[in-house]
Amino acid sequence: NAGVTQTPKFRILKIGQSMTLQCTQDMNHNYMYWYRQDPGMGLKLIYYSVGAGITDKGEVPNGYNVSRSTTEDFPLRLELAAPSQTSVYFCASSQLGQGGNTIYFGEGSWLTVV
Amino acid sequence: AQSVAQPEDQVNVAEGNPLTVKCTYSVSGNPYLFWYVQYPNRGLQFLLKYITGDNLVKGSYGFEAEFNKSQTSFHLKKPSALVSDSALYFCAVRVSRRSQGNLIFGKGTKLSVKP
Repeated sequence: NAGVTQTPKFRILKIGQSMTLQCTQDMNHNYMYWYRQDPGMGLKLIYYSVGAGITDKGEVPNGYNVSRSTTEDFPLRLELAAPSQTSVYFCASSQLGQGGNTIYFGEGSWLTVV
Repeated sequence: AQSVAQPEDQVNVAEGNPLTVKCTYSVSGNPYLFWYVQYPNRGLQFLLKYITGDNLVKGSYGFEAEFNKSQTSFHLKKPSALVSDSALYFCAVRVSRRSQGNLIFGKGTKLSVKP
């Protein structure tokens, strides 16, 4: 009963490096999301996808890229890491996007940029 | 613009006492409201949601929430707090019309339950 799985759990990056946060879900959900969580700020939406091949920007997309080649996978790419990207990243999914459909979250990825 | 407010950064409760974590919202349409809980170094876990119907919604771990349309509130409650309830609680809202599907989150309230 895996749900939403993200890797890595922890990562330290140097300024200017790039990396990809992996996310996969086994619930056959159409919608997938990437959020970042900063202390005292709640969660902010980075990117989302309504299905394979379709992605769109959320509230804070700058410095990130995503792709959705399959229903299951939704990787988040950080290009040229900056200290402002130090945060906790959560991948999530839901069956549909609207109404009362519940969003299910992964365990989180703690990223530090130094 | 949609928004969610959690007016308390922290709530302190003695074990066995009732607890309330407050949430107010501002949306232009009919809201769908959610509560999530986050334990240290873990992801968010779904607690309960309000879609329509009864204003009192029951969820996981003995929690419940009351939807009050006139006060635009969705406060989380539990009759008797446990030390294990200590965590970070997030209120979230989504409007009823078809949207991109994401939730708008409050900043979170840290609940501390002391023995």
